[in-house]
Amino acid sequence: TQLLEQSPQFLSIQEGENLTVYCNSSSVFSSLQWYRQEPGEGPVLLVTVVTGGEVKKLKRLTFQFGDARKDSSLHITAAQPGDTGLYLCAGSGGTSYGKLTFGQGTILTVHP
Amino acid sequence: EAGVVQSPRYKIIEKKQPVAFWCNPISGHNTLYWYRQNLGQGPELLIRYENEEAVDDSQLPKDRFSAERLKGVDSTLKIQPAELGDSAVYLCASSTRTSGSNEQFFGPGTRLTVL
Repeated sequence: TQLLEQSPQFLSIQEGENLTVYCNSSSVFSSLQWYRQEPGEGPVLLVTVVTGGEVKKLKRLTFQFGDARKDSSLHITAAQPGDTGLYLCAGSGGTSYGKLTFGQGTILTVHP
Repeated sequence: EAGVVQSPRYKIIEKKQPVAFWCNPISGHNTLYWYRQNLGQGPELLIRYENEEAVDDSQLPKDRFSAERLKGVDSTLKIQPAELGDSAVYLCASSTRTSGSNEQFFGPGTRLTVL
């Protein structure tokens, strides 16, 4: 069974601070996705990383896939209250297209 | 383009009662997923359909849960009888291979409360 461990589980920061969320596993994933979920809504895809060592940037968000494709990180620069939400990493194995294993999520609260 | 539609958005029932959730995926998406999400946790897959075929139902508690996608479009998930521990948000998602990615598009979910 593939498991994804996210840390921290909760993060409460002030506007303008930087933060990093980690997603770790003992399993290798063919790709890894990061989703953001707001209360009362379903998760929305932010990014997909596929290649080991890959770095992708989305405005103030930087995503990195580990060289061994077992871990990933999400770094937010100068967080804003609008970044508040549940951040989920999800890994896709190579043997079963479409099947995602989700981490338990990181609840981020950015205070103005 | 309309997103994934789910109904109802909220449901409150007493334990031992039956309940059903409905999902209409994005048009043209052949893969449909049902997830269960507990508060502050990540979604857990219950069942995955490719067209009308359930290709992964290993996490579906089959003693009380059932699902169908008869015409390969919309789907229903049923719980009978419901237990207190079934209280959660039930998410439906859909995807298509034609985009080349594994992006899943989620509906807003149905929040179930079992009293």
